[in-house]
Amino acid sequence: DIRMDQSPSSLSASVGDRLTITCRASQHISIWLAWYHQRPGKAPQSLIYGASSLQSGVPSRFSGSGSGTDFTLTISSLQPEDFGTYYCQQYNIYPWTFGRGTRVEIK
Amino acid sequence: EVQLVESGGVFVKPGGSLRLSCAASGFSFTSAWMSWVRQAPGKGLEWVGRIKNEVEGASTEIPAPVKGRFTISRDDSKQTLYLLMDNLKIEDTGIYFCATGVGAFDNWGQGTLVTVSS
Repeated sequence: DIRMDQSPSSLSASVGDRLTITCRASQHISIWLAWYHQRPGKAPQSLIYGASSLQSGVPSRFSGSGSGTDFTLTISSLQPEDFGTYYCQQYNIYPWTFGRGTRVEIK
Repeated sequence: EVQLVESGGVFVKPGGSLRLSCAASGFSFTSAWMSWVRQAPGKGLEWVGRIKNEVEGASTEIPAPVKGRFTISRDDSKQTLYLLMDNLKIEDTGIYFCATGVGAFDNWGQGTLVTVSS
């Protein structure tokens, strides 16, 4: 199975900060990577697909980049509603697999 | 508006069986690929299988940890996705979400809680 390593596992940041979360795949996955945001007690929400395509309705402060094995999710200006956990997921090879998540706290 | 509503989650003993349902509306269910994703308490997300649309044969892909115990099916006339879970284990406890998408999951339901305990 492809292992997805996310870093950091958690972070604390202030409103307005620029945030970068990284995801590294154990094998080449081209651009078949998605990012999700999950608030406590809620379902995940799709942010990015195809490594860099913004899901409809997602604010433009979110962006994704990368290909192959190394990917990043960037939040250009952190907002209060951005707290929660972020997951990356590869869908290039079965079984589709998720990273372990990055927990974001707002200072 | 896309809506996915899961149901069927209950308390069940190890070795038991359960069928979850996911009622879909607001999009073309007949052409959609559908998946189930679960989340153990306090843990991350785990994909537990997907089914293609009928045009593509409604074939399923089930990962090793649940293969042989979990079966995914769909009833397009009812716009409903199912997850049949047999020989349940304690480690199957968690929230089960249904989701749309060909690989990347565009829309998610709110989830239904399955508790496996003696």
